[in-house]
Amino acid sequence: EPEVTQTPSHQVTQMGQEVILRCVPISNHLYFYWYRQILGQKVEFLVSFYNNEISEKSEIFDDQFSVERPDGSNFTLKIRSTKLEDSAMYFCASSDTANYGYTFGSGTRLTVV
Amino acid sequence: KNEVEQSPQNLTAQEGEFITINCSYSVGISALHWLQQHPGGGIVSLFMLSSGKKKHGRLIATINIQEKHSSLHITASHPRDSAVYICAVKVPPDKLIFGTGTRLQVFP
Repeated sequence: EPEVTQTPSHQVTQMGQEVILRCVPISNHLYFYWYRQILGQKVEFLVSFYNNEISEKSEIFDDQFSVERPDGSNFTLKIRSTKLEDSAMYFCASSDTANYGYTFGSGTRLTVV
Repeated sequence: KNEVEQSPQNLTAQEGEFITINCSYSVGISALHWLQQHPGGGIVSLFMLSSGKKKHGRLIATINIQEKHSSLHITASHPRDSAVYICAVKVPPDKLIFGTGTRLQVFP
């Protein structure tokens, strides 16, 4: 069964450093998403992406965050200057239509120290 | 108030029991998802519903759009069903709002 692949599975970074979280969505999917889950809390929406642009973003997704689909296969989330409160599990998801189900990646656990 | 409420928050069952998890929402939705999250953290999609009822193996999901309520049922529960079950609603234009999840433990 096709999978959404996320790398790395765990990243530790110093506060203030830039991090890039990588995702390879399912190849024929057109809609891409990032969600995050702070430990012990519910999953929160960050951003949706379609046709090479952001379709919607949450209040969390401020100027420190950006997304990119640099080469037609990868979908990346960049955090420019990490804060302690960015520590969370980050999930990438993709869908082949806006009305179909999602496939989630296994997540990247980001720890900011 | 949370836009998506789940109950119960925690559920313990003996193997073989019939289990029901409930989800209520307060916003307009285009679909409702039931998801499963295992201790390692990965999220697996179980169902997407916009009306009626769906069944997959021992899992059944129902939705009542008028009452803004959905239920997930597990028949003949098994220890391998132990996980967190999450209700998430899709709101326009294109995002999911998640509930806090129901932690299920099934004992042999």
